[in-house]
Amino acid sequence: KQEVTQIPAALSVPEGENLVLNCSFTDSAIYNLQWFRQDPGKGLTSLLLIQSSQREQTSGRLNASLDKSSGRSTLYIAASQPGDSATYLCAVPFYGGATNKLIFGTGTLLAVQP
Amino acid sequence: KAGVTQTPRYLIKTRGQQVTLSCSPISGHRSVSWYQQTPGQGLQFLFEYFSETQRNKGNFPGRFSGRQFSNSRSEMNVSTLELGDSALYLCASSSSEGYTEAFFGQGTRLTVV
Repeated sequence: KQEVTQIPAALSVPEGENLVLNCSFTDSAIYNLQWFRQDPGKGLTSLLLIQSSQREQTSGRLNASLDKSSGRSTLYIAASQPGDSATYLCAVPFYGGATNKLIFGTGTLLAVQP
Repeated sequence: KAGVTQTPRYLIKTRGQQVTLSCSPISGHRSVSWYQQTPGQGLQFLFEYFSETQRNKGNFPGRFSGRQFSNSRSEMNVSTLELGDSALYLCASSSSEGYTEAFFGQGTRLTVV
């Protein structure tokens, strides 16, 4: 059974710092991994989708890496800003049959201090 | 291009009542999934529809049901509401039948009193 874990659960950094968020999954048989951002009380915003055949995916100040063999993905945020404060979630698709069902990690609550 | 639209945004219901939530996916998307988010349990999968067919169902009681219409819009219904059903209900839209990027709506905040 696939389990997804995110460490740390919460992180507070000063503005301008580069930071790394971690996502671990127990079953390396994944098709892709998606990173989301969630502001309080709001829906999820898709940040990056990284396919299993890729090692990295970049969008602006965000860079996601994927290492299937070790069951890990990292989200790197460069030059953090107060507007980056949110909960960050990673998710992998349920493996087996055509499905868009996602298994989510527990999330990392990020606070960027001005 | 319009995103995923969920209505209503907020609902307050009394225990024992029933509620219907609506989700309109991105135009052209035929896959809709529903999730429940609570502080204690995180994001939990409810069910998934593709071309009006339910393909997967999460571990929720039969009080939770859903359907998808021919225009891909989806509804979920919760009958005999319990206090524990208070949550943010999120709908996700995907373009094809599997393993594609998910786009979420803003959610419906349901409070059961």
